[in-house]
Amino acid sequence: GAVVSQHPSRVICKSGTSVKIECRSLDFQATTMFWYRQFPKQSLMLMATSNEGSKATYEQGVEKDKFLINHASLTLSTLTVTSAHPEDSSFYICSARSRDRGFYGYTFGSGTRLTVV
Amino acid sequence: GQQLNQSPQSMFIQEGEDVSMNCTSSSIFNTWLWYKQDPGEGPVLLIALYKAGELTSNGRLTAQFGITRKDSFLNISASIPSDVGIYFCAGQDPTTSGTYKYIFGTGTRLKVLA
Repeated sequence: GAVVSQHPSRVICKSGTSVKIECRSLDFQATTMFWYRQFPKQSLMLMATSNEGSKATYEQGVEKDKFLINHASLTLSTLTVTSAHPEDSSFYICSARSRDRGFYGYTFGSGTRLTVV
Repeated sequence: GQQLNQSPQSMFIQEGEDVSMNCTSSSIFNTWLWYKQDPGEGPVLLIALYKAGELTSNGRLTAQFGITRKDSFLNISASIPSDVGIYFCAGQDPTTSGTYKYIFGTGTRLKVLA
């Protein structure tokens, strides 16, 4: 089945530094990648959508200069949290869509727990 | 913006009991998906519903796409301890058709007592 590998699973960084999170589709081509953040005991909130080779589309209220998304290939998308602050601490999850697999093509990564100290 | 409300917010049940949870929206949706999320993991798709009135099963799970297109429910029969987790509904807003974006519900936390 479709697998999305996300890493790191956990990262602790100092305030003001940048952190890169990677998502790779291992056995399919991810034409679209979605990035979500999830606060404790809350739902998933969509941050941005990226299509391979195009600029990401950010949801309202999400700072594109702070959350840099790159989807340079059909198997890799990255989210970089720049100048991280404690309020950026959250659980970040990617989801990849394969054009060839219909609705069942939305596969989530295992998430990254970011803690900014 | 769009919001999907799930109820109950949380529930404790005894092993072997049936579980029912639902998801409601203030506007219509084209597609409903039900996911389960284990702690510290990404959600896993359980069932996808594509048209109003559709009833679909996946093992002990059954889900229905409400006839008004504004709600969906998920039933779990004969619950077992590994059913514990957070269940999310997700819907596709027809006004965003073509973007493949889904809105997630508020979640139902299920705990099963052995």
